[in-house]
Amino acid sequence: DAKTTQPTSMDCAEGRAANLPCNHSTISGNEYVYWYRQIHSQGPQYIIHGLKNNETNEMASLIITEDRKSSTLILPHATLRDTAVYYCIVRVAGGTSYGKLTFGQGTILTVHP
Amino acid sequence: EAGVAQSPRYKIIEKRQSVAFWCNPISGHATLYWYQQILGQGPKLLIQFQNNGVVDDSQLPKDRFSAERLKGVDSTLKIQPAKLEDSAVYLCASSWTGGVRGYTFGSGTRLTVV
Repeated sequence: DAKTTQPTSMDCAEGRAANLPCNHSTISGNEYVYWYRQIHSQGPQYIIHGLKNNETNEMASLIITEDRKSSTLILPHATLRDTAVYYCIVRVAGGTSYGKLTFGQGTILTVHP
Repeated sequence: EAGVAQSPRYKIIEKRQSVAFWCNPISGHATLYWYQQILGQGPKLLIQFQNNGVVDDSQLPKDRFSAERLKGVDSTLKIQPAKLEDSAVYLCASSWTGGVRGYTFGSGTRLTVV
C-alpha cells in the first residue's frame, strides 16, 4: 500500500472549516483514499473514502486532486467534538481485492472555542 | 447495528504474567482484525482472520502472542508472558468480506504491564 504524509498537528476555530491535507504521491490506480479519525479513548472511526471523484457525506467532504497525488478532508463547520487524530490511508479496494488498513501517525486536529 | 464489543476495558498486570482479551464482532462480519496501538502511534495490525482462518499474522510476535477465532465469531488474543513493551491499547475491528468502507473498530482494551 502507498504511504501517506500528513502534518503532525493543526488548529481550527470552532464553526470554521477544517481542511486537513494528505500527500500520497505513490498512489496506484486501484488504491482508494480513506479517512478515519480517532477521538481520545475510542477506536478509529470511518469518515469517508474516494477513488478519484470528490465525495461528500454527512460528516465531511473529500477533495482528491486530478493527479490523485494528494487530497484534502474538509470538515465544513468544525465543533469541539471534532478534536481528534485524523488518519489518511490509501488502500486497495474494489472487485475481489481489499488491502489492509495501515495507519500512519495521523494529524492531531484541535478545535478551539 | 450493534458495535464491536471488547473486554475488559482496562487491565493491569505484572511482567511475565499472562493476559487475554476478548472481542465480539458485528454480526455477520466474516473478517476480524486485532491491532496494537502504542501511546502516540497509529494502530498496527497484529492479525487478520477470515471466518476462523488466519489470513495474515506477519506482525504477530508469535513467541508470546496467540489468537484464535473459534466458530468464526468471537475472538481472543493472548499474551504469555507479557513484557513491559506490550503496554498498549489492543483494538479489535471487523468488516464484511471485501468491505469497501473498511472496518468498524471497538473501543479497545488498555493494557498496562508493570
